[in-house]
Amino acid sequence: ETGVTQTPRHLVMGMTNKKSLKCEQHLGHNAMYWYKQSAKKPLELMFVYSLEERVENNSVPSRFSPECPNSSHLFLHLHTLQPEDSALYLCASSPRPGPNQPQHFGDGTRLSIL
Amino acid sequence: QKEVEQDPGPLSVPEGAIVSLNCTYSNSAFQYFMWYRQYSRKGPELLMYTYSSGNKEDGRFTAQVDKSSKYISLFIRDSQPSDSATYLCAMSGNTGKLIFGQGTTLQVKP
Repeated sequence: ETGVTQTPRHLVMGMTNKKSLKCEQHLGHNAMYWYKQSAKKPLELMFVYSLEERVENNSVPSRFSPECPNSSHLFLHLHTLQPEDSALYLCASSPRPGPNQPQHFGDGTRLSIL
Repeated sequence: QKEVEQDPGPLSVPEGAIVSLNCTYSNSAFQYFMWYRQYSRKGPELLMYTYSSGNKEDGRFTAQVDKSSKYISLFIRDSQPSDSATYLCAMSGNTGKLIFGQGTTLQVKP
């Protein structure tokens, strides 16, 4: 049983829709992350939050909008996505950001853009 | 050139074989090295974590880091069908930003 829970597990949306991905961690961690995993490509870091403050935005298009209301919850708001945004979106957490902090992942949301 | 190179496979071995999974990297600032296992339709699960050079053993798994060659390995002894998964290497320097390899898909046949 993972300490990082992501919902929904699957999402199909049109290019004009607005939807949100949710992540909750039960590990008492202070850092949370969003990653994108596409077929045959390495995981790509999108955003990093530390104690609800965004500390890294890895050149992600503005159609992805993160929100971290507290240290246990992380959202990714989606609007006017493109077909190339279809991927597995993974949330992770660690005790703190920075080195020597192994990250623990949820099972992801499989996103398909029609 | 990618910062981390990992052969995507697939790698197919018989049950009981010793498996060797490898990654090479180009950034000499990397000091923290991890291996994750990802089953189908699941998120990555941390398997091994090492700092700097040397070996680390945990049950049937051994992680090796050779910083002089910029080369890391994961060995799986007495491989089982339940080891069938994608194995991701990941590493970071002092920034903490994890850089992942593409992942190697392993199939262990009964």
